[in-house]
Amino acid sequence: DTAVSQTPKYLVTQMGNDKSIKCEQNLGHDTMYWYKQDSKKFLKIMFSYNNKELIINETVPNRFSPKSPDKAHLNLHINSLELGDSAVYFCASSQEISAQLYNEQFFGPGTRLTVL
Amino acid sequence: KNQVEQSPQSLIILEGKNCTLQCNYTVSPFSNLRWYKQDTGRGPVSLTIMTFSENTKSNGRYTATLDADTKQSSLHITASQLSDSASYICVVGGYNTDKLIFGTGTRLQVFP
Repeated sequence: DTAVSQTPKYLVTQMGNDKSIKCEQNLGHDTMYWYKQDSKKFLKIMFSYNNKELIINETVPNRFSPKSPDKAHLNLHINSLELGDSAVYFCASSQEISAQLYNEQFFGPGTRLTVL
Repeated sequence: KNQVEQSPQSLIILEGKNCTLQCNYTVSPFSNLRWYKQDTGRGPVSLTIMTFSENTKSNGRYTATLDADTKQSSLHITASQLSDSASYICVVGGYNTDKLIFGTGTRLQVFP
């Protein structure tokens, strides 16, 4: 069984388009994240949701909007795509941090977005 | 500024050899340090997680060490296998926060 799944795995689109990436976790976790991995392989957090509530929102253009219909899903919608948005986007999930000193995060397989 | 730096950037070794990867961090207040393995085209997978009170933790052929005083960590891989070829990412967690600071990784290639 896939713990954290993302669709699509690859996404190629033109500048200016609007696209969405979906993420689902079946681990029963309360917290979900979106990360961006750039061409230098550097992973950086974009958003974090806990029980459908936004708790981390890094300096990300407001063209990026996360949507959490329930605690098992955290989708990422991107408006007016730009060349610089090309990257690999990873979804992750974890238990709520208050439950333990640290929370192990489980990552999805990633979505490679290419903006032409 | 919270940062995590890793060395070397890339490493090539022969199958069966040992290797050690280094990580220095400036994250404060510090809570935990993790090592992740990321295969090409896949998401990162956790190898070890250590809190500030732990000096070493093993996971099979992987052994991580932590010196919270000098803010350094290492990941030692014993008897390397071809499947160890991947990027190894050092990640530091701050106290009472979900936010993780990622290093840029060490790209390890194991050749037969």
